[in-house]
Amino acid sequence: DAGITQSPRHKVTETGTPVTLRCHQTENHRYMYWYRQDPGHGLRLIHYSYGVKDTDKGEVSDGYSVSRSKTEDFLLTLESATSSQTSVYFCAITRDYPYEQYFGPGTRLTVT
Amino acid sequence: DQQVKQNSPSLSVQEGRISILNCDYTNSMFDYFLWYKKYPAEGPTFLISISSIKDKNEDGRFTVFLNKSAKHLSLHIVPSQPGDSAVYFCAASQTGANNLFFGTGTRLTVIP
Repeated sequence: DAGITQSPRHKVTETGTPVTLRCHQTENHRYMYWYRQDPGHGLRLIHYSYGVKDTDKGEVSDGYSVSRSKTEDFLLTLESATSSQTSVYFCAITRDYPYEQYFGPGTRLTVT
Repeated sequence: DQQVKQNSPSLSVQEGRISILNCDYTNSMFDYFLWYKKYPAEGPTFLISISSIKDKNEDGRFTVFLNKSAKHLSLHIVPSQPGDSAVYFCAASQTGANNLFFGTGTRLTVIP
């Protein structure tokens, strides 16, 4: 158990509405990540954070923003959801070793 | 362009036999490789990793082999068990980078 929770676990929303997904960790790790998983693409990095208020873009960041005001929380926001953002979203943290990431249970988002 | 490729979407193996999952990469700067296992409705779970200074790493029933000249790695599971049935993702990273690049996954089914 990596001490990561994600909320909500499932969400259905309409095109054009804003959506915020939350990732919460209990282990005070510096690095946090948001990925999306889609068939035929594996997991792709959306954004990551290397500290409070320190974030950077990943390979599929268009249409997403993030915020990290506390070490334990990393928020992913879709300002205006589109059907192409229907996906399963995973949050991850890095523990002591720099490359091994540990994942949360995921949020399944459906945009209708 | 996919930098990490898993060309076999699925693999079926009899219980007790060896499972071999393959992964190829294109970026010669990658120097750390990981395998993750994913059950439905759960986040990926870290399984085993290997640094580019090694060509083999073993952990119980799981062994990862790295062939740097061929830019190829493989995961061997011996003996395979029904509980190993899952989707396996290969991932790669490079020193100084903050993200992992994932393959598209291989669904392993171990038949009792």
